[in-house]
Amino acid sequence: IAGITQAPTSQILAAGRRMTLRCTQDMRHNAMYWYRQDLGLGLRLIHYSNTAGTTGKGEVPDGYSVSRANTDDFPLTLASAVPSQTSVYFCASSDGANSPLHFGNGTRLTVT
Amino acid sequence: GQNIDQPTEMTATEGAIVQINCTYQTSGFNGLFWYQQHAGEAPTFLSYNVLDGLEEKGRFSSFLSRSKGYSYLLLKELQMKDSASYLCVSMDSNYQLIWGAGTKLIIKP
Repeated sequence: IAGITQAPTSQILAAGRRMTLRCTQDMRHNAMYWYRQDLGLGLRLIHYSNTAGTTGKGEVPDGYSVSRANTDDFPLTLASAVPSQTSVYFCASSDGANSPLHFGNGTRLTVT
Repeated sequence: GQNIDQPTEMTATEGAIVQINCTYQTSGFNGLFWYQQHAGEAPTFLSYNVLDGLEEKGRFSSFLSRSKGYSYLLLKELQMKDSASYLCVSMDSNYQLIWGAGTKLIIKP
């Protein structure tokens, strides 16, 4: 593995179900991020983590939670999915504040 | 408020040159990024400007004017594989990224 791996690639989920999107990086980057991308909108930050053990809320955190137990993993959990959470979710990491983001291939989530 | 404006869609011809403009309003400024995103794929980094002027990287160049809140991405010798969305992203004084909705570039033979 080189870079960021996200799983699953796609998922159809019934409303009300719990779901965890997985994200793993092998670049030893301190900062990690979760974004959602919806048609016609810029990427919107859900949660971020500047270093292992710390997390912060982004622009659209409601309905989502994250954890950062170690440097490599940054899972995103939807406690009770709703249709408005239908989106493409990207995990990203960076080496510092001014450094470019490296993205995973995304998870396409449909909540029915 | 913080905002990024860029055209929704542009069309250009293979072999030609295209300029994608971006204007931004940011609370403080710590640089501007351009990313390329092919349909169904993740964004990939193209360029970063923090000082005024032109940065050239092969067929792609990026320009920044901090006083005007303006940047452009210049693509030369267009190839069909350049068909993608181009995302303009500014960084504010708190190192928060503000993402534009992207410019979809269509290349015609």
